[in-house]
Amino acid sequence: AQSVAQPEDQVNVAEGNPLTVKCTYSVSGNPYLFWYVQYPNRGLQFLLKYITGDNLVKGSYGFEAEFNKSQTSFHLKKPSALVSDSALYFCAVRTGGFKTIFGAGTRLFVKA
Amino acid sequence: NAGVMQNPRHLVRRRGQEARLRCSPMKGHSHVYWYRQLPEEGLKFMVYLQKENIIDESGMPKERFSAEFPKEGPSILRIQQVVRGDSAAYFCASSPTMTQGARNYGYTFGSGTRLTVV
Repeated sequence: AQSVAQPEDQVNVAEGNPLTVKCTYSVSGNPYLFWYVQYPNRGLQFLLKYITGDNLVKGSYGFEAEFNKSQTSFHLKKPSALVSDSALYFCAVRTGGFKTIFGAGTRLFVKA
Repeated sequence: NAGVMQNPRHLVRRRGQEARLRCSPMKGHSHVYWYRQLPEEGLKFMVYLQKENIIDESGMPKERFSAEFPKEGPSILRIQQVVRGDSAAYFCASSPTMTQGARNYGYTFGSGTRLTVV
């Protein structure tokens, strides 16, 4: 069965510092990997995806993610955090079908 | 080009009543997915539908919950005889058809319906 783990409930980082939000996955077959962001009382917004090709994927708002097949990880990164990046971040995985499985989410706090 | 539209945004029901949640997918999208988000928890898959077909309902509770996506009109998630444990945010997402590369498509989510059972 496919699954996604986000080992950190919360990540705290100072504005201007780099941030990393961790994600590991377990699937059979080649995964499609996604990151979404959720702001308070809003739906999820798509940030970026990995399908194939370069292991470093660039997405919206300056975010990027690195796919590591050997470690089955897909960590979300940003070189310089903004206070406005504070939100709930979800990693997700999809295999051959259409169903997407989401992680439990990681709450990011960026302090000014 | 309107996104995924969900209504109502907030719904309050007394225990034992029925709740109907509506989702209109993005124009041109024929796949709809329903997810439930409980407080301080992640998104749990409930059901995946195409027009007039339920493709995967493995996440739906066996009783009281049902979903449909008719040929015309929005997708409906129906919860009968609601209980307090049904209180949650229910999100709908849509994607294009397979021929349009849906497998690698990032979902478009609606803003959700927040159901409160009192």
